[in-house]
Amino acid sequence: NAGVTQTPKFRVLKTGQSMTLLCAQDMNHEYMYWYRQDPGMGLRLIHYSVGEGTTAKGEVPDGYNVSRLKKQNFLLGLESAAPSQTSVYFCASSYLDSGLPEAFFGQGTRLTVV
Amino acid sequence: AQTVTQSQPEMSVQEAETVTLSCTYDTSESDYYLFWYKQPPSRQMILVIRQEAYKQQNATENRFSVNFQKAAKSFSLKISDSQLGDAAMYFCAYRFPGIQGAQKLVFGQGTRLTINP
Repeated sequence: NAGVTQTPKFRVLKTGQSMTLLCAQDMNHEYMYWYRQDPGMGLRLIHYSVGEGTTAKGEVPDGYNVSRLKKQNFLLGLESAAPSQTSVYFCASSYLDSGLPEAFFGQGTRLTVV
Repeated sequence: AQTVTQSQPEMSVQEAETVTLSCTYDTSESDYYLFWYKQPPSRQMILVIRQEAYKQQNATENRFSVNFQKAAKSFSLKISDSQLGDAAMYFCAYRFPGIQGAQKLVFGQGTRLTINP
């Protein structure tokens, strides 16, 4: 049982380049989230999705786009990377049913923009 | 907006002793969930304990327990008999309703816990 898998684990980008981070979950979760983690700031929500074909903005959405074409996948895109987007990115997922409310996390992606 | 505050950036404790990590939150909701997550150097986010706001009884998981004070909007984590493997960054998190019922998770800034042998 893989849980939540993020691809890639590490990436170095040049300013202005684009890339897509992939998140895949095999738990049939309805909710999926993308967070970024920066020192001293905890995890901040970028975008989230309540189901296939739906997305919404979180706390820090600027410079990012997302898509959820399939229930099990949630993609995070950077169209024109900036050094301020250097961070560790986490994907998470959770059930709609509040009987099991906790989110399950991927292992993170360390992105450096130079 | 809902916020979560962890006022202790770093804490340290002697092995086998007890340590308490603090967390406060701000919300106008009456029903919600609170969590403590552990992040060791491996970077993996691990759920330590969860508390449901409508339950008055404090949650307990082995050596980990919480002191949930709903009126004061306080949610502290107590680690008893600290072990070297407890060394990690600890995050307090609050889950609240968003658009279309999405249950967004909001995190505090984290507390780095060091265990001294």
